[in-house]
This record gives sequence, structure tokens and C-alpha cells, in this order.
Amino acid sequence: QPHLQESGPRLVKPSETLSLTCTVSGASISSSSFYWGWLRQPPGKGLEWIGSLYYTGNTHYNPSLKSRVTLSVDTSKNQFSLKLTSMTAADSAIYYCARVIYGVDVWGQGTTVTVSS
Amino acid sequence: DIQLTQSPSSLSASVGDRVTITCRASEGIGNDLGWHQQKPGKPPKRLIYAASRLQSGVPSRFSGSGSGTEFTLTISSLQPEDFAIYYCLQHNSYPYTFGQGTKLEIK
Repeated sequence: QPHLQESGPRLVKPSETLSLTCTVSGASISSSSFYWGWLRQPPGKGLEWIGSLYYTGNTHYNPSLKSRVTLSVDTSKNQFSLKLTSMTAADSAIYYCARVIYGVDVWGQGTTVTVSS
Repeated sequence: DIQLTQSPSSLSASVGDRVTITCRASEGIGNDLGWHQQKPGKPPKRLIYAASRLQSGVPSRFSGSGSGTEFTLTISSLQPEDFAIYYCLQHNSYPYTFGQGTKLEIK
């Protein structure tokens, strides 16, 4: 079972850009079998799909966030990343990275991001 | 977007009970549905994929069925560690979407 670990700032100011990285161990991000994804969960609420990407750089974004999201991959580091611009309080959430095959296969532990000045 | 509606939203049950949770899709999704369990302070964990396939390492008391627009997750004999929130997730079309969750509580 691979291990996925999110990293990045826990506190972001309104209007700033969130940058998170997911480091994958125990599996190659260049595997042809998998996509890699980001999801989030506001405090006490349900789960939302942000987007996913393939190691070649092919991406799928949630239209509700598409104008603000960029996903990228660094195969040399076995990492993939999320950038979310123009952050507001509504973007405060636990952010999860995940391996994607038949939906989400493996979840990262999650990182809590708070938007506050 | 495909909407997933879970029922019930919450459920009280006792250890040893058989429980069933339903997930209905707003359009047909074949068998492109999974079930995930989330305990407080933890990430979700997949139990079922492709509607009825048991994830490796998941106890056999969990089972899934359905196709098209109606799906069920059944726990044949509840154990204390099964009290959690359960989510369905469709991966038939982007954006992937989740049901709103079913909270399974101890009676």
C-alpha cells in the first residue's frame, strides 16, 4: 500500500494562493495505471473532488474550481502539487491527496488549511 | 454533475445488527461507484469499489451491490469499530462526486 503525505502551509491569508504538495512513497507516480488527485473536506462537512492528473500532465478539474486550480506533477521527486488562487474563508478545509483508480483508492492523511488574516 | 443521494442521512443501530445504506445517482453510472468509511479525525478509507468488489483487507461483513442508479452498502453484523460516516463516490464522469454521507451511530 503506498503512502501519500500532504505538505504546505496551514494558514493562508484571504486572496492569497494555496500551494500544497503530495509526496508519494511505495509507488511510482509514473505508473501508467493510476491518476493522482486532490480532494477537500470543509470542517464538519462532506467531501469535494478538486481534480486529478496523470503523470504525463493530463488533468481533470472540477468546473466549480477550474478557474482557480492548477495541478502539476514532478516525476523526478515522485510528487504532485495543487495551487488554488484567490483563497477565501470558504476554502478552509482539510485537503487530501489521493491515488485514483476506480475512484479513490488510497487517501493521504490530510492537511488542515485555514484561511484567515 | 452527477448527484448522489444517500439514505438515510443518519442511522442508529446496535452491535450485531444488519444495516443497509442506499446511494442513488441522478443518472446511470454503470457500476462506477465506491463506498468509503470515515472515522473522526481520520481520512476516509475505501471499502468497496466497482459497486461490489471488496477492497483488499476489508472484512467480509461489508458488501456492496447495485448498478445503474441504485446502489447499496450492507454491513452484515455490526461491530463496534464500524460506527463511522459512510460516503459513496461515483467515478463514471468528471467531476467525480460524493453522496452527502450517512452517519452510523450506536443505539
